[in-house]
Amino acid sequence: DIQMTQSPSSLSASVGDRVTITCQASQDISNYLNWYQQKPGKAPKLLIYDASNLETGVPSRFSGSGSGTDFTFTISSLQPEDIATYYCQKYTAFGPGTKVDI
Amino acid sequence: QVQLVQSGAEVKKPGASVKVSCKASGYTFTGYYMHWVRQAPGQGLEWMGWINPNSGGTNYAQKFQGRVTMTRDTSISTAYMELSGLRSDDTAVYYCARDKMGLCLDVWGQGTTVTVSS
Repeated sequence: DIQMTQSPSSLSASVGDRVTITCQASQDISNYLNWYQQKPGKAPKLLIYDASNLETGVPSRFSGSGSGTDFTFTISSLQPEDIATYYCQKYTAFGPGTKVDI
Repeated sequence: QVQLVQSGAEVKKPGASVKVSCKASGYTFTGYYMHWVRQAPGQGLEWMGWINPNSGGTNYAQKFQGRVTMTRDTSISTAYMELSGLRSDDTAVYYCARDKMGLCLDVWGQGTTVTVSS
């Protein structure tokens, strides 16, 4: 089974900061990597699919890159409403999540 | 608009079963696989399995094999997830989510809290 890891597990940043989260797969998954945002008490929300494609309606400050086993998720300018936990996913396997605070 | 609406919170005793429903609207129900994902309190997301609403075919995570059953009723565009032999560590929020092109989960239900307690 494919295992997903993420780092860091949590981070604290300031409004306007550039935030980067990494995700690593235990084997080559090509570009089949998605990113979700989950706010407390809410369902996850798809932000990025196929490693770098922005889901419709998602602000352009969110981006993703990578292929194979190593992937990166970036918030170019952190906003207060971005406080959430972010998960990477390869279809049936989720990463452990990265909690982003201000 | 595309929407998944789940059934309400449940409280069950250990050993019992729970059946959670997920009603789809705004799209062709049989055109998209439906996944179930759960989240224990303070924990991450855990994939449980999927159902093909068109054929009824299923694929379950090994961890839940023998305890989970996913079904659907196409006449009312509703998917179901039944989990049996409940234990305290099954206490979680259970989500249904629509599969977009076999790659990602683009629409999620609001979640159903299942509490297992004696």
